[in-house]
Amino acid sequence: ETGVTQTPRHLVMGMTNKKSLKCEQHMGHRAMYWYKQKAKKPPELMFVYSYEKLSINESVPSRFSPECPNSSLLNLHLHALQPEDSALYLCASSQGDRFSYEQYFGPGTRLTVT
Amino acid sequence: KQEVTQIPAALSVPEGENLVLNCSFTDSAIYNLQWFRQDPGKGLTSLLLIQSSQREQTSGRLNASLDKSSGRSTLYIAASQPGDSATYLCAGTSGGSYIPTFGRGTSLIVHP
Repeated sequence: ETGVTQTPRHLVMGMTNKKSLKCEQHMGHRAMYWYKQKAKKPPELMFVYSYEKLSINESVPSRFSPECPNSSLLNLHLHALQPEDSALYLCASSQGDRFSYEQYFGPGTRLTVT
Repeated sequence: KQEVTQIPAALSVPEGENLVLNCSFTDSAIYNLQWFRQDPGKGLTSLLLIQSSQREQTSGRLNASLDKSSGRSTLYIAASQPGDSATYLCAGTSGGSYIPTFGRGTSLIVHP
């Protein structure tokens, strides 16, 4: 396990539910990321926060809402999801947001939308 | 749009073999490149990072190189072990973008 933790590890939610994914790192990193990974596919970048500010949003639907309350925490709020949103959601952190630093990933949250 | 091809898609070898995994980018102007391993159902672990001014990195039994003229990277695994069994992904940035493009991975099984 790396220094990035994610909760919950598994989540099943209905299309009308509201839920949140949480990510925490205590490595002093200033950049945090959300990725989505479908089965047998590579990760796809969703959001990047740098110094607690959203720096990259890869045209993600508004039913996904990121939040960075402080430099150690990153949340992903979920609302009105679709079954095709079922995937492994990965959080990562690094010293900077330029992909010129090693990215440290959490174990992921396995999300199933019913 | 950048695309990444990883060859082979799958590999099954006996323990002790030296391995070469390949990664090829359609846009050869790679800025930064990372190799990761992913165990089933788990997050990614960064193995090696090749920054813009570098051409090669080594860590233990792993060596990664980047040929910027061709947009190709190679991950060399020496004396493979069953614990090396995982999916290996490469990812890189190019064209002034900080958005990494990932390959689909090479699934490696090392038999005892």
